[in-house]
Amino acid sequence: EVQLVESGGGLVKPGGSLRLSCVASGFTFSTYSMNWVRQAPGKGLEWVSSISSSSTYIFYADSVKGRFTISRDNAKNSLYLQMNSLRAEDTAVYYCARVPDIVVVPAAMGRKRYYYNYGMDVWGQGTTVTVSS
Amino acid sequence: DIQMTQSPSSLSASVGDRVTITCRASQRIGNSLAWYQQKPGKAPKLLLYDASRLESGVPSRFSGSGSGTDYTLTISSLQPEDFATYYCQQYYSSPPITFGQGTRLEIK
Repeated sequence: EVQLVESGGGLVKPGGSLRLSCVASGFTFSTYSMNWVRQAPGKGLEWVSSISSSSTYIFYADSVKGRFTISRDNAKNSLYLQMNSLRAEDTAVYYCARVPDIVVVPAAMGRKRYYYNYGMDVWGQGTTVTVSS
Repeated sequence: DIQMTQSPSSLSASVGDRVTITCRASQRIGNSLAWYQQKPGKAPKLLLYDASRLESGVPSRFSGSGSGTDYTLTISSLQPEDFATYYCQQYYSSPPITFGQGTRLEIK
């Protein structure tokens, strides 16, 4: 069975740190890009961070850049999110989700265009992070 | 960044109704659009990708259409299990991946 299982959530004080984990099973983890997506209480979905299959391409939402670090260990079929300097507004359910690997093509002015060819087709059950004093 | 705007934000309908949810992108996204269904306390579920392609296992009463900047999700005949919140998401350009704000579909 294709599955993603998150762990590591909990209650943390503002300014604190937490490390989330997501363990994959039932598919070849090393061939997929992975994402963290969060959902604050009563709110919509917010993309947090992405990492390509071999960790070559890593992206963050502006709201977490400089505070969160995404990583993966393909040997352990695991995805991680190190969250530092946590704020009340980081309170949310955090989901990991897989997507077929990112595509990178040349673009104008020597830049690169990054895109996906699919939606996020497998999601974990989520882990809750609460930042409160 | 590409902004995604869904309408309506909420919708009341009855079992058997045909409903349509709209998603507008702030720029052309070349049909690189996914639709998700989320029920309370559960993870989102992928329904459609590439604007109109049905994900495996999703009932055929769900369909998608659109092009350019405007896309729609249609449920042809609402079933009790379809009452949920629906999100669109563009994957034409990343980062960032962007979602619509969601449409809550409630029982009338």
